[in-house]
Amino acid sequence: EAAVTQSPRNKVAVTGGKVTLSCNQTNNHNNMYWYRQDTGHGLRLIHYSYGAGSTEKGDIPDGYKASRPSQENFSLILELATPSQTSVYFCASGEPGQGNSDYTFGSGTRLLVI
Amino acid sequence: QEKVQQSPESLIVPEGAMVSLNCSFSDSASQSIWWYQQHPGKGPKALISIFSNGNKKEGRLTVYLNRASLHVSLHIKDSQPSDSAVYLCAESSNTNKVVFGTGTRLQVLP
Repeated sequence: EAAVTQSPRNKVAVTGGKVTLSCNQTNNHNNMYWYRQDTGHGLRLIHYSYGAGSTEKGDIPDGYKASRPSQENFSLILELATPSQTSVYFCASGEPGQGNSDYTFGSGTRLLVI
Repeated sequence: QEKVQQSPESLIVPEGAMVSLNCSFSDSASQSIWWYQQHPGKGPKALISIFSNGNKKEGRLTVYLNRASLHVSLHIKDSQPSDSAVYLCAESSNTNKVVFGTGTRLQVLP
């Protein structure tokens, strides 16, 4: 079954440390997305990718980098983590510009920056 | 920037009730409007979508779309405790981006 898998499931990081969140999809979708979800803000787009080697800035990219080394894998990198980046992060894959296509989401990574 | 607004913020109903969730979106030319369901500790899961004006029925779910008024609604018939979740409305444009609302939290009491 096609799926999006995120790791780790939970992460505690120290302020100023580097954090890498990983995402793998078996949907063969070209597009992949990283969102964060906070109470009162809903899902906010951080970075997205159209395919291997491509990364694009979303609506709230500051403090985050992304890497798409292959069709299947998309990583979110926090070079210098801050407490304001404490959140739940979701990865998704999809092709919203092509017909009636939905997103498939992973189960999320809960990040606590102390 | 596109904006998707949902109402109510939260809703508590008894088992068996009809549930109505509302969503306003920003672009009458949007490709599709999607509804997602999110249970605690899980990622959102696509439930139903609609593209054309009018309604679409799938099982206990019915969606109504009015592009002229930029409004879409989701109705859940005979609600069950397992329907308790956050429901997200999402506007899909032709720009490869989807904009999500902040959600409606539904609790169905047994």
